[in-house]
Amino acid sequence: GENVEQHPSTLSVQEGDSAVIKCTYSDSASNYFPWYKQELGKGPQLIIDIRSNVGEKKDQRIAVTLNKTAKHFSLHITETQPEDSAVYFCAASMSGSARQLTFGSGTQLTVLP
Amino acid sequence: DVKVTQSSRYLVKRTGEKVFLECVQDMDHENMFWYRQDPGLGLRLIYFSYDVKMKEKGDIPEGYSVSREKKERFSLILESASTNQTSMYLCASSPVRVNYEQYFGPGTRLTVT
Repeated sequence: GENVEQHPSTLSVQEGDSAVIKCTYSDSASNYFPWYKQELGKGPQLIIDIRSNVGEKKDQRIAVTLNKTAKHFSLHITETQPEDSAVYFCAASMSGSARQLTFGSGTQLTVLP
Repeated sequence: DVKVTQSSRYLVKRTGEKVFLECVQDMDHENMFWYRQDPGLGLRLIYFSYDVKMKEKGDIPEGYSVSREKKERFSLILESASTNQTSMYLCASSPVRVNYEQYFGPGTRLTVT
């Protein structure tokens, strides 16, 4: 089945700096790659997603890039703010079972004031 | 707004007890999911359901069962709780459309002593 690896597991940045989280996937047939943000005491919430026919997608301070050849995708957060502090999960959809997502292990992002 | 509610935020049970975790969604979603979240392991799929009375095993179904008697409700059952089932349990729902956002509940922190 699909395997998703996520790095780093923890990331600390100064407020205003950029943060980058990287994920690799194993199933070349995966075609959907969402990113979820989990704030303390809450369930994960979708923040951005990208499909395999697109190389990059941006939404205000958040962007995601996808390299299908290398089978990796990344989340970029610019001008970080304290409210960006959370756990971020990448995910990939398994081929043949579009209802399922395989999640990465998560990244704890801390934005220092 | 989509709302996914879980019956308990915190639960403490003894080894061998039968445990029921309930999840209700109010958006008439066809798909519902149960995940387990452990530090360093991300979210792992236990079971999912794409219709009433239908269920499919996820990646880690051993020791768990599920029930979906009504479209809005999806229950996770631990027939005989064990200490290695101490974890955060997250329920999610999504529409039937392929590769669509999953909406998560706030989670149930289960401790088995």
